[in-house]
Amino acid sequence: KAGVTQTPRYLIKTRGQQVTLSCSPISGHRSVSWYQQTPGQGLQFLFEYFSETQRNKGNFPGRFSGRQFSNSRSEMNVSTLELGDSALYLCASRATGNTEAFFGQGTRLTVV
Amino acid sequence: KQEVTQIPAALSVPEGENLVLNCSFTDSAIYNLQWFRQDPGKGLTSLLLIQSSQREQTSGRLNASLDKSSGRSTLYIAASQPGDSATYLCAVRPGQAGTALIFGKGTTLSVSS
Repeated sequence: KAGVTQTPRYLIKTRGQQVTLSCSPISGHRSVSWYQQTPGQGLQFLFEYFSETQRNKGNFPGRFSGRQFSNSRSEMNVSTLELGDSALYLCASRATGNTEAFFGQGTRLTVV
Repeated sequence: KQEVTQIPAALSVPEGENLVLNCSFTDSAIYNLQWFRQDPGKGLTSLLLIQSSQREQTSGRLNASLDKSSGRSTLYIAASQPGDSATYLCAVRPGQAGTALIFGKGTTLSVSS
């Protein structure tokens, strides 16, 4: 059974640009969550999608957005990139209910 | 507001030693608690999930316990090996519907041969 797949693995962008990250969950998992990990703040929740609907949102500015498709794949978008957006972005998938969360390998975003 | 704390932040032990990593949380109203392992620059690998009704879970050399009333969990690693060197993260899922995992900052473990 394939795990959670995130693409791309690495990205370098310039301030002011926008970026789109992709996450394919484990087959059959309908919940996809996104987290930002930085050395100073640790892991912080961005948002969660379930059956194409945003179910929960963390405390991030509106420049961070996401969506989920009918096949449960999810994308997150960051517009008008800032240096502080440099981080490891992690996606997690889980089945319905309060089940185990499985994470992908992450996308390392560097903003220069 | 739920907060998760992991102590110590870093730990160095010789190979073969048994060790305990600690995790504490401020609100006992949780659905479950999950322990993860993270290697440098990589994603998170799930180690153990303990539901709120459970007291412990075991997988191989790992044993995790949960004391919800005191807001504490421990991860016990038996006979540590250099391959166990990584950062170990504890996360709780709060008891309200539709809430996300809340993580501690982790314990970075180094096991020397």
